[in-house]
Amino acid sequence: GAVVSQHPSRVICKSGTSVKIECRSLDFQATTMFWYRQFPKKSLMLMATSNEGSKATYEQGVEKDKFLINHASLTLSTLTVTSAHPEDSSFYICSARNTEAFFGQGTRLTVV
Amino acid sequence: GEDVEQSLFLSVREGDSSVINCTYTDSSSTYLYWYKQEPGAGLQLLTYIFSNMDMKQDQRLTVLLNKKDKHLSLRIADTQTGDSAIYFCAFPAPGGSYIPTFGRGTSLIVHP
Repeated sequence: GAVVSQHPSRVICKSGTSVKIECRSLDFQATTMFWYRQFPKKSLMLMATSNEGSKATYEQGVEKDKFLINHASLTLSTLTVTSAHPEDSSFYICSARNTEAFFGQGTRLTVV
Repeated sequence: GEDVEQSLFLSVREGDSSVINCTYTDSSSTYLYWYKQEPGAGLQLLTYIFSNMDMKQDQRLTVLLNKKDKHLSLRIADTQTGDSAIYFCAFPAPGGSYIPTFGRGTSLIVHP
């Protein structure tokens, strides 16, 4: 079946640095990908919709300058957390849709 | 938008049945989904039910939908330790766009 690969699975970075997370659809083309953030004991929150070849659509309250999304090809979307701070520590998950929604393995970001 | 509620934890003994419940507010979804998230992994679509169905059975899984009470449940028969995970109910956003709204997730803990 279709697979979405997310990399890295875990990353620890220093406060103030930037971190890039990649999301790839391995065997189908995804014109649209979704980025979610998972807070402890809370549901997955949609951050933004990534559109191939155009700007991402951000949900209300999500800082577009802090969470940069690039969808350069039909199989790759990237999320860059810029100038990361400890409060950005979270679990980030991408999703791409074919006949159903497939999710990446998630990235555990820890900012120290 | 959709408001989805799930209890956070469920603890069962191995071999017993598990019932994970979900209540929702918007009744316009065509499909209703259950996702499973194993530790350190992404989400996996477990099963789904059409909104015009009351019940769907898939091996050890039984999904019950009570549209009148806006209640969705997932029953796992003969629960095994490998079933320990977080289970999310999810609903597509209205308007035909597949951007799921997730419940908070129920952590299923299976003990011997």
